[in-house]
Amino acid sequence: GNSVTQMEGPVTLSEEAFLTINCTYTATGYPSLFWYVQYPGEGLQLLLKATKADDKGSNKGFEATYRKETTSFHLEKGSVQVSDSAVYFCALKASNTGKLIFGQGTTLQVKP
Amino acid sequence: NAGVMQNPRHLVRRRGQEARLRCSPMKGHSHVYWYRQLPEEGLKFMVYLQKENIIDESGMPKERFSAEFPKEGPSILRIQQVVRGDSAAYFCASSPPERENTEAFFGQGTRLTVV
Repeated sequence: GNSVTQMEGPVTLSEEAFLTINCTYTATGYPSLFWYVQYPGEGLQLLLKATKADDKGSNKGFEATYRKETTSFHLEKGSVQVSDSAVYFCALKASNTGKLIFGQGTTLQVKP
Repeated sequence: NAGVMQNPRHLVRRRGQEARLRCSPMKGHSHVYWYRQLPEEGLKFMVYLQKENIIDESGMPKERFSAEFPKEGPSILRIQQVVRGDSAAYFCASSPPERENTEAFFGQGTRLTVV
């Protein structure tokens, strides 16, 4: 079946450090891939998406590239800020069913 | 265009009571998802609905839980005879009719506390 696996958290970084949060997936067909962010006490917000192989999604300095050969969609940011502290979720949307499946989430803590 | 609206934001129920959680999708969205999130845990898929139709309910507990998305009105997640273990945040998301390439938009969630 379809599934998403993210790296374990929490990830703790100093301000201006480089961020990578790994995400790999298992899916039949050609899913769309997403990164969502959740700030404390709030719902999830879409951060970026990619809908086909080699697409790069980007937003607010975050990037992720849809790699079909490695079934990965790793999230990166060159210089994190304290305000980036949140929980990040990788997700896929199955092309045949439309079902949206999430990874377990990775907590990011950025210290000044 | 208002976002996904969930109400109530906070709900307190005693053990054995019923909880009804409402979700109004974004305008033009005909697909709704429900997820449960326990403290310090990820999102657990519960059910995926289209208007008047359940597409996938593989994440729903077999007893006490039900969901509907009628032709008119909001989607409802209903929990009968609540127990302490039902305490969690319940999130609803909606998406347009197209299955592919479209993201889902989330509500702010309903935080259920069973006392």
